[in-house]
Amino acid sequence: NAGVTQTPKFQVLKTGQSMTLQCAQDMNHNSMYWYRQDPGMGLRLIYYSASEGTTDKGEVPNGYNVSRLNKREFSLRLESAAPSQTSVYFCASTGTGTGHQPQHFGDGTRLSIL
Amino acid sequence: QKEVEQNSGPLSVPEGAIASLNCTYSDRGSQSFFWYRQYSGKSPELIMFIYSNGDKEDGRFTAQLNKASQYVSLLIRDSQPSDSATYLCAALISGYALNFGKGTSLLVTP
Repeated sequence: NAGVTQTPKFQVLKTGQSMTLQCAQDMNHNSMYWYRQDPGMGLRLIYYSASEGTTDKGEVPNGYNVSRLNKREFSLRLESAAPSQTSVYFCASTGTGTGHQPQHFGDGTRLSIL
Repeated sequence: QKEVEQNSGPLSVPEGAIASLNCTYSDRGSQSFFWYRQYSGKSPELIMFIYSNGDKEDGRFTAQLNKASQYVSLLIRDSQPSDSATYLCAALISGYALNFGKGTSLLVTP
């Protein structure tokens, strides 16, 4: 039972390059999320997808795009990477219900942009 | 921006003592609150969640919620060195997304 799987685990990019971070969950969860975590800043929501076919901006969406490919997969794309996007990126998922469902996190992608 | 505030710490407690971690939130519409533990270099893992006023206990952990005062706390009894980590408080917003505090660093000294 893998839970939430993120790929890659580490990546180094040059400024201006593009890349896609992949996330997949096997818990049949409806909602998925992308966060970034920077030192001293906590976790900040980039985008989320409440259900298959929908996506919404979070607190810090600029410079990112997302795709909810199907119920299992939610990808995050950096079209033109900037050094300010150096961060640890976490994907999370949660089931539906009363709103008390906890989010389950992947292991993270550590991204450095030179 | 609706805030979730935590003291960054570090909070240092001796082994066997009670660690008390606090969190305040600004959005009165928040209904559910979560405590996550995060070890250095690892992903957050859920400890507890609470949505009713009062206390909720799970083993050595007790979450407390006071909606009138807009604060949430986490008590860790019989603290162990393995409890040393950053503790993240989060409030459920918009029915789906979590708004996280910046975390409190806890150090349990032998």
